[in-house]
Amino acid sequence: GIQVEQSPPDLILQEGANSTLRCNFSDSVNNLQWFHQNPWGQLINLFYIPSGTKQNGRLSATTVATERYSLLYISSSQTTDSGVYFCAVPRDGAQKLVFGQGTRLTINP
Amino acid sequence: DAGVIQSPRHEVTEMGQEVTLRCKPISGHDYLFWYRQTMMRGLELLIYFNNNVPIDDSGMPEDRFSAKMPNASFSTLKIQPSEPRDSAVYFCASSMTSGRLSYEQYFGPGTRLTVT
Repeated sequence: GIQVEQSPPDLILQEGANSTLRCNFSDSVNNLQWFHQNPWGQLINLFYIPSGTKQNGRLSATTVATERYSLLYISSSQTTDSGVYFCAVPRDGAQKLVFGQGTRLTINP
Repeated sequence: DAGVIQSPRHEVTEMGQEVTLRCKPISGHDYLFWYRQTMMRGLELLIYFNNNVPIDDSGMPEDRFSAKMPNASFSTLKIQPSEPRDSAVYFCASSMTSGRLSYEQYFGPGTRLTVT
């Protein structure tokens, strides 16, 4: 089945810094989602981005489907950005999402 | 919209007891998913339904686990009997389709299950 790898596994930054999180996947996909799991455990939808670039405030994401990767950019980090960021892609072209292991982001004040 | 609703939010039970987790998907969504999250295995799909019909239950760990969706607005995940290794956070998610297009999945707040 499809494999999803995220990097880096951990990232510690000071408030105000910028960061780039990467998601590689082993097969072609027709959609990709980015989630933020906050310290309370909630999974929050960030982007649904099968291809191209989307922006939402300080966050943006780019998926290059032909090269099988997606990037999540966080600019001017805030402590509330802390948590784990997951990317997920469908398995076998179906509705079943396969999640990466996540990137744990810690933003220090 | 209220989003995906799950209950209870926390459940502590003793080994051998029956546990029932509940989920109300977003109105109008035709897919419903049950996931489990553990430190060891991360987020993994257990089962999903389309229009209340189970489509794929290959992720259900064993016969102790069962899931039902009696109508479009309600689903249950039952564990009987429960074991300590079932301790995890269980998420319910829902999504909608339109023709051949599928859309993003939205997750509920999860149920944190502890089996002692």
